[in-house]
Amino acid sequence: KAGVTQTPRYLIKTRGQQVTLSCSPISGHRSVSWYQQTPGQGLQFLFEYFSETQRNKGNFPGRFSGRQFSNSRSEMNVSTLELGDSALYLCASSLAVFASGTDTQYFGPGTRLTVL
Amino acid sequence: SQKIEQNSEALNIQEGKTATLTCNYTNYSPAYLQWYRQDPGRGPVFLLLIRENEKEKRKERLKVTFDTTLKQSLFHITASQPADSATYLCALDQAGTALIFGKGTTLSVSS
Repeated sequence: KAGVTQTPRYLIKTRGQQVTLSCSPISGHRSVSWYQQTPGQGLQFLFEYFSETQRNKGNFPGRFSGRQFSNSRSEMNVSTLELGDSALYLCASSLAVFASGTDTQYFGPGTRLTVL
Repeated sequence: SQKIEQNSEALNIQEGKTATLTCNYTNYSPAYLQWYRQDPGRGPVFLLLIRENEKEKRKERLKVTFDTTLKQSLFHITASQPADSATYLCALDQAGTALIFGKGTTLSVSS
């Protein structure tokens, strides 16, 4: 079974631009979560989507948004990029919604975003 | 405020020894705790999950303990090998809404 895939793997943008990152979950997985990883803050939860609905959201500004499609693929968007948005963005998929507490999360390799 | 601390950003041990990593948390009451391994340039990989009513969990050379009174989890790798060198992350369930991660401990095993 193919793992979680994320595209692109690397991205360089300038301040003020917007960016869209893509995540394809493991086949059959319906939950997709997004995380931001930085050296200073570590891994921080952004949001979770399940069956095309946002189920939970972390403590990030509204510039960070996402969506999920009927095939469970997900995208996240960051508008008006700031230097502090430079990070590794990871998505993770699981069979069930996170609140079920029964499934582990399978992470993709991440998208390395650099904001200049 | 809620906090997760993984004591030691880095841990260096010799091959064959047991590595013990610590995860402490405050102001949480997690239903379970997970440990992940992350290699450079890769996403975290799930290793073990331990529930609040379990004291200990084992998987091959890995052992995890969970003490809800001390609010602490210990992660042990016995007979460590250079291939075990990686960053290890603990993660807590936050009221069934999300996983909250510690910042990780980077383990280096020298031969």
